[in-house]
Amino acid sequence: QVQLVQSGAEVKKPGSSVNVSCNTSGGTITSYTLSWVRQAPGQGFEWMGRIIPLLGLTNYAQQFHDRVTLIADKSTNTAYMALSSLRSEDTAMYYCARRRGNWFDLWGQGTLVTVSS
Amino acid sequence: QSALTQPASVSGSPGQSITISCTGTSSDVGYSNYVSWYRQDPGKAPKLMMFDTSFRPSGVSDRFSGSKSGNTAYLTISGLQAEDEADYYCSSYTGNNILHYVFGSGTRVTVL
Repeated sequence: QVQLVQSGAEVKKPGSSVNVSCNTSGGTITSYTLSWVRQAPGQGFEWMGRIIPLLGLTNYAQQFHDRVTLIADKSTNTAYMALSSLRSEDTAMYYCARRRGNWFDLWGQGTLVTVSS
Repeated sequence: QSALTQPASVSGSPGQSITISCTGTSSDVGYSNYVSWYRQDPGKAPKLMMFDTSFRPSGVSDRFSGSKSGNTAYLTISGLQAEDEADYYCSSYTGNNILHYVFGSGTRVTVL
């Protein structure tokens, strides 16, 4: 049974960067397309971007494209989302999610990133 | 601000049917049948409830059904049960390269 296992909560200062990991436990990362989605407290979801590890292909939502970087380490079946120039509005739960067709059938447990001075 | 508009809350008594709407534009909901729905319990990750507008994943009760008309998609829960209480979010594929998916603002379902 494949699970997406994410790294633990982070507290960051404004202007710094954060790196969140997502391990495809029980499955091979190159079999999947992974998206990153965030949810600010009490809000809906925002799609941030996606990576196809088999191809090394990435696409980013325009609002994040200059601050977010997605990579995948095939040797450890782990995807990473790096977000730079953090501001208070980036405080949110960050999820990795497996894409099937045009839906997300499997989600990580979420990683809370808090940006505070 | 979410791209897709949902009612903040919908409620019903056990056994009743309720419908949650999800309104977008011709660039997202109206663009294709690639609308999906997710349930989220407090403090939990989302769970897929419906994909491609009207298809249920394995394990989801047939009390859940989906439909779409123009730029609005719908999720109907029939025979409402206490266990259906949760937040429900819609999502739509957009087909454009700068924002692949948009999500709704979420609807809290309450069983009276």
